[in-house]
Amino acid sequence: GESVGLHLPTLSVQEGDNSIINCAYSNSASDYFIWYKQESGKGPQFIIDIRSNMDKRQGQRVTVLLNKTVKHLSLQIAATQPGDSAVYFCAETLPSNTGKLIFGQGTTLQVKP
Amino acid sequence: DGGITQSPKYLFRKEGQNVTLSCEQNLNHDAMYWYRQDPGQGLRLIYYSQIVNDFQKGDIAEGYSVSREKKESFPLTVTSAQKNPTAFYLCASSIQINYGYTFGSGTRLTVV
Repeated sequence: GESVGLHLPTLSVQEGDNSIINCAYSNSASDYFIWYKQESGKGPQFIIDIRSNMDKRQGQRVTVLLNKTVKHLSLQIAATQPGDSAVYFCAETLPSNTGKLIFGQGTTLQVKP
Repeated sequence: DGGITQSPKYLFRKEGQNVTLSCEQNLNHDAMYWYRQDPGQGLRLIYYSQIVNDFQKGDIAEGYSVSREKKESFPLTVTSAQKNPTAFYLCASSIQINYGYTFGSGTRLTVV
């Protein structure tokens, strides 16, 4: 079925530590995955994406890992900063002609100073 | 700067009224989407459009209507048939299918 889930609703980390946000997806046919960051009262902001032919992709301070065997996606944030506090969503899309993204419920990242 | 603009930021609707939320993009994107977000929840797809003069229902289209007369514009009307319209509405666009979305800043609709 179509469902994308995040393992934890809230993650609290100390400033400067690394954060890992996890996501499980159910459809093995999904071929494109995206992580979004949403601050309170704002629209989601693109962080990083990965296609199913890759296992890892790195951006500035962020890394996305894809494990297709267990249908698991993770977002790693290095040296977490107070500005990283937000809700993080993973999203997936199937190789169809709709381009529809299926979003998970979101994980709230709280960064303690 | 290119982007996607939603207006108004806040909207209040009386019972039985139709209201229209505006979404305009200057990114030259073909595809546009409307999502609804309720507190503490993820995004649910209302309608989407891949090209001008064409649109498709999403997962929760009942009580909503859209039009796509111009590539840049994808307005959403929340009709009186939508029984629980209070939510945060997000418009998005993408250059083509299976690419990431650019989101607008959202419209918060409240029924009074």
